Amino acid sequence: SQQGEEDPQALSIQEGENATMNCSYKTSINNLQWYRQNSGRGLVHLILIRSNEREKHSGRLRVTLDTSKKSSSLLITASRAADTASYFCATVDPNFGNEKLTFGTGTRLTIIP
Amino acid sequence: DSGVTQTPKHLITATGQRVTLRCSPRSGDLSVYWYQQSLDQGLQFLIQYYNGEERAKGNILERFSAQQFPDLHSELNLSSLELGDSALYFCASSVAVGFKNIQYFGAGTRLSVL
Repeated sequence: SQQGEEDPQALSIQEGENATMNCSYKTSINNLQWYRQNSGRGLVHLILIRSNEREKHSGRLRVTLDTSKKSSSLLITASRAADTASYFCATVDPNFGNEKLTFGTGTRLTIIP
Repeated sequence: DSGVTQTPKHLITATGQRVTLRCSPRSGDLSVYWYQQSLDQGLQFLIQYYNGEERAKGNILERFSAQQFPDLHSELNLSSLELGDSALYFCASSVAVGFKNIQYFGAGTRLSVL
C-alpha cells in the first residue's frame, strides 16, 4: 500500500513557470524525500528533509514539510523541458527501521516548451 | 549513472515460468532493495537485504524470493509467473547510515509475462 498520496496526479505547465506538487502521508516519519523518475527509468534522489526541518532548498527546488498536517510540498522554479518527469515523495517510517522507504503515488509533470 | 546495475533490461516470458533478476549495488553500499512498479499498484517495496541478511520485508509474494551474495550482488527470483507479475522491477542500494537513507536506483528490468 502507498504511504503517500500526491496531488495533483498530473500537472502541465509552460516552460519558465513554477510547478508545485503536494504529498500527504499517514504515519510518523524520520524524514521525507523526493525522487524524480523519467519515463520508464530508475528513480533519482532529489532532496531530503528531516522531520525537524520545515523548509529546504536545493538549486531550483524548494521543499516544505508540515508534520502537524503530515504533508510536504515540492516547488520547482523556472521550469525547463528537462524537468518533465514523474515526481514521488517517499517517507522513512521509524516503526519499520530507518531503511525502508514508502513511496507515494507520484505526480506526472509535463513542461510545455 | 547511479552506479547500480540491473540485468537484464528486458525479459519476456510465459506464464508459469521462473526468472531471475540480477542487481549489482554501488561500490560500498551494503543495503539492496527490490521494488516492483506497475500501473495499478504504483511503486511497491518488496524486500531489503543488508550485508547478506534479510532486513525488511514488504509486499513480496511467496512465489518471489531474493538473496544477497557475499560479493553484495543480489538476485530476485520470480516463479510460477502470472500475467499480473508484468511490471518494472527496480533494485536500489544505499549505505543506510542512520536515518539519512538515500537510495540509488538501477535502470530497472521490464518483465513481460505473456
